[in-house]
Amino acid sequence: AQTVTQSQPEMSVQEAETVTLSCTYDTSESDYYLFWYKQPPSRQMILVIRQEAYKQQNATENRFSVNFQKAAKSFSLKISDSQLGDAAMYFCAYRSIIQGAQKLVFGQGTRLTINP
Amino acid sequence: NAGVMQNPRHLVRRRGQEARLRCSPMKGHSHVYWYRQLPEEGLKFMVYLQKENIIDESGMPKERFSAEFPKEGPSILRIQQVVRGDSAAYFCASSQNLDTDTQYFGPGTRLTVL
Repeated sequence: AQTVTQSQPEMSVQEAETVTLSCTYDTSESDYYLFWYKQPPSRQMILVIRQEAYKQQNATENRFSVNFQKAAKSFSLKISDSQLGDAAMYFCAYRSIIQGAQKLVFGQGTRLTINP
Repeated sequence: NAGVMQNPRHLVRRRGQEARLRCSPMKGHSHVYWYRQLPEEGLKFMVYLQKENIIDESGMPKERFSAEFPKEGPSILRIQQVVRGDSAAYFCASSQNLDTDTQYFGPGTRLTVL
């Protein structure tokens, strides 16, 4: 079974600075998807970014980018120019491509605080 | 295009009662997933359904929990004889297509068992 580990329960960063959230995962599959979701105090789960494992290029969405290291099974999220609205829980998630097994496997989450 | 809808947003039940949580997927989405989030934890998969079929229920507790996604109408997660340990946020997600699919989440239902 796949597992996802986020080793940083809490992180903080100064507004306008850059922060990196760590995620590692374990799988025997060669192709899969990885995601970062954000959960603000409203508790709504919001997709931040998605990476297909077969793509070598790291995904980028505006101020959010990932460092995907397939051999190391590492998938970190970098947030540039941090804003107060980035404060939230961040969850890393894995999804298989096998039919019938598309469930998301989540890490424990990292609580990100933005200091003004 | 409306997002994933869940109702109720908050549900209070006494021990032994039944809880019914509803999820309407995004328009055009035929895959529904239910997840549970206990306080201060990540989301845990419960069940994956397509219209009229349960595809993967490996995360569902063996007793008291059931789910359905009928041909017409929303998906229902049903918890019979609730206990305090069932208190959690229950999230529904939907996706359109097996190959491309990002799962989009609803706002969740917070269940409190007194």
